[in-house]
Amino acid sequence: GEDVEQSLFLSVREGDSSVINCTYTDSSSTYLYWYKQEPGAGLQLLTYIFSNMDMKQDQRLTVLLNKKDKHLSLRIADTQTGDSAIYFCAEAAPGNTPLVFGKGTRLSVIA
Amino acid sequence: DGGITQSPKYLFRKEGQNVTLSCEQNLNHDAMYWYRQDPGQGLRLIYYSQIVNDFQKGDIAEGYSVSREKKESFPLTVTSAQKNPTAFYLCASTIGVGSPRGAFFGQGTRLTVV
Repeated sequence: GEDVEQSLFLSVREGDSSVINCTYTDSSSTYLYWYKQEPGAGLQLLTYIFSNMDMKQDQRLTVLLNKKDKHLSLRIADTQTGDSAIYFCAEAAPGNTPLVFGKGTRLSVIA
Repeated sequence: DGGITQSPKYLFRKEGQNVTLSCEQNLNHDAMYWYRQDPGQGLRLIYYSQIVNDFQKGDIAEGYSVSREKKESFPLTVTSAQKNPTAFYLCASTIGVGSPRGAFFGQGTRLTVV
C-alpha cells in the first residue's frame, strides 16, 4: 500500500539550512512533490521531481531523491522567517490515482 | 487569473444540520478533490472526481456527499451523519488524475460545529 512518512517538527536558526525528509513506500511512484502550507491557507506547490532524477535545484530549494531507499529530501538554503510553515511531501503513483500526502513537517525558523 | 475558489472561508454549523462547501475552479482541470485536514493528521482524501457526473470515494467518505454537474464546480456536503465534522477542508484540482503537474489548492474552509 501507499504510505508517506515525515517527521512532524523541525526547528532551525535564521540563515541556516533546513533539511526536511520524507520516505515513501510505493516504488512505482512517478512523481514526488513538495508543498508548503502557511497558517490558515491552502497548499502551494513548491517543486516536484520525476522518479528517474536524483536531484533538482530551484533557487534556494534542492530536492534529493534516493530511489533505492525510497527517501526524498527538501533542502532550503539560507532559511528565512518567511519559510516558517508546514511542508508536505506527496507521491503520485502511476495510473489514475490521487496524490498521497504525508502528515507534514512543521518548520519553525528562529530569528 | 486562474485558480480555485473555496467559500465560505469560515462556516459554523449546528449539530444535526447539513452544510455545503463550495469549490469552483477556472483552470479547465478535469479532476477535482476534497481533503480534510486535522492537526497532526495531514490531508485525508474524502472524495474525488475525474470527470463530470462521476466521482469516487476516498479514505474517509462516510458522512459526506458530493456532486459534479459542471466541470468547474465540485461542492461538498457535510451531512448530519458525520460525527466529528469540525476541521479544515481543502479543495484541489489537477489537469487529470495522476498529472505530473501536481495539484492546485484552494484557500480552504474552516468548519466549526457549535
